[in-house]
Amino acid sequence: RKEVEQDPGPFNVPEGATVAFNCTYSNSASQSFFWYRQDCRKEPKLLMSVYSSGNEDGRFTAQLNRASQYISLLIRDSKLSDSATYLCAVDPHSNYQLIWGAGTKLIIKP
Amino acid sequence: SQTIHQWPATLVQPVGSPLSLECTVEGTSNPNLYWYRQAAGRGLQLLFYSVGIGQISSEVPQNLSASRPQDRQFILSSKKLLLSDSGFYLCAWIDRRSYNSPLHFGNGTRLTVT
Repeated sequence: RKEVEQDPGPFNVPEGATVAFNCTYSNSASQSFFWYRQDCRKEPKLLMSVYSSGNEDGRFTAQLNRASQYISLLIRDSKLSDSATYLCAVDPHSNYQLIWGAGTKLIIKP
Repeated sequence: SQTIHQWPATLVQPVGSPLSLECTVEGTSNPNLYWYRQAAGRGLQLLFYSVGIGQISSEVPQNLSASRPQDRQFILSSKKLLLSDSGFYLCAWIDRRSYNSPLHFGNGTRLTVT
């Protein structure tokens, strides 16, 4: 089992819809979790950190489910500009060595 | 504010030639520094990380090397490039002073070995 796993997609979603995807992690002691967005041929950029209580930033909501060992990202009212690859990252040992998922590709269609 | 600079943005090099990619961070001190590679359509592969000047940890054995001559400078090198070295190279840093600190990436260098 990989340490961090994501569905590679692609998720093809109509504009305005809500889309959610998960990222599972294997180390139950993991403390830090992040979602990044990567546009084609660009560097990954931090979308949001994931806190135990969950967090929301506009149309984006991230949640942590420790019992089932996954984090989720929910995008409401999706825009064409949300099309990108979404990477999750986990720090399983709290030593600043992030383990990365391979990414989920999201395509928003008009 | 903190910024990270990485250059060059693109590079085309022949097989067997040397490589030097440079990365500098501004606005912070004693960061953790990282070099990642991303092959086309693939995930991020950690190559090297450094917790301080002269301290380099290698994650993947290969013909690449890294050096940290100054606190906020990280260099990726190779004496002889292979075709398989082609990819998108990303420098990144973390502020260890903050708990739950995220990783911040430079703009990346797209290397094509011909």
